[in-house]
Amino acid sequence: QSVLTQPPSASGTPGQRVTISCSGSRSNIGLNPVNWYQKLPGTAPKLLIYSNNQRPSGVPDRFSASKSVTSASLAISGLQSEDETDYYCSTWDDSLNSLVFGGGTKLTVL
Amino acid sequence: QVQLQQSGPGLVKPSQTLSLTCAISGESVSSNSAAWNWIRQSPARGLEWLGRTYYRSKWYNDYAVSVKSRITFNPDTSKNQLSVQLNSVTPEDTAVYYCARDPGNLGYGMDVWGQGTTVIVSS
Repeated sequence: QSVLTQPPSASGTPGQRVTISCSGSRSNIGLNPVNWYQKLPGTAPKLLIYSNNQRPSGVPDRFSASKSVTSASLAISGLQSEDETDYYCSTWDDSLNSLVFGGGTKLTVL
Repeated sequence: QVQLQQSGPGLVKPSQTLSLTCAISGESVSSNSAAWNWIRQSPARGLEWLGRTYYRSKWYNDYAVSVKSRITFNPDTSKNQLSVQLNSVTPEDTAVYYCARDPGNLGYGMDVWGQGTTVIVSS
């Protein structure tokens, strides 16, 4: 059971906007910034969003994120077939003194 | 730019010790701003953070509760690399293992990753 809760799956059609949620608690999301990773099969995770809503250089602005109290969400607009993969949220947990991940969300582009 | 190159055996017998190395180029392992993390991924457990080591005038370590009693980090400043040892492994430790850099200014975000090492625990 992951400390951060994500829906196991999400889906959308090309061009659509989809959101993926990440629910935590005060000791993690409530106190620390949230990061999002894109995980393609056979490759290392890629940092997609850092510090709640910042995009590293090279990440398209189709990807955005937000945080509110103890939850966060990743939004992908203008959905493309290449976006079909797994997405993970992550943050630091002050109670566990550990970095924690969500269980991951598999995004399907219909 | 910073690159991480992992090495280590892909097959470990149960009860033995898993040892992996992460060679760093483009930054010092004893950087006063970065932290060096180990993460693994398995179908059953998704992405799982194992711990981190970092240097701030001395070395500090943080460990995941799940592996705290079995894991050791060894930074090697002469080779600019870090290694991890996980002892008393079981088949549940079968996973792809990654090292990753937290540069210190991305809110715990890890921006550079090793290529990953698939480790199978089996007799």
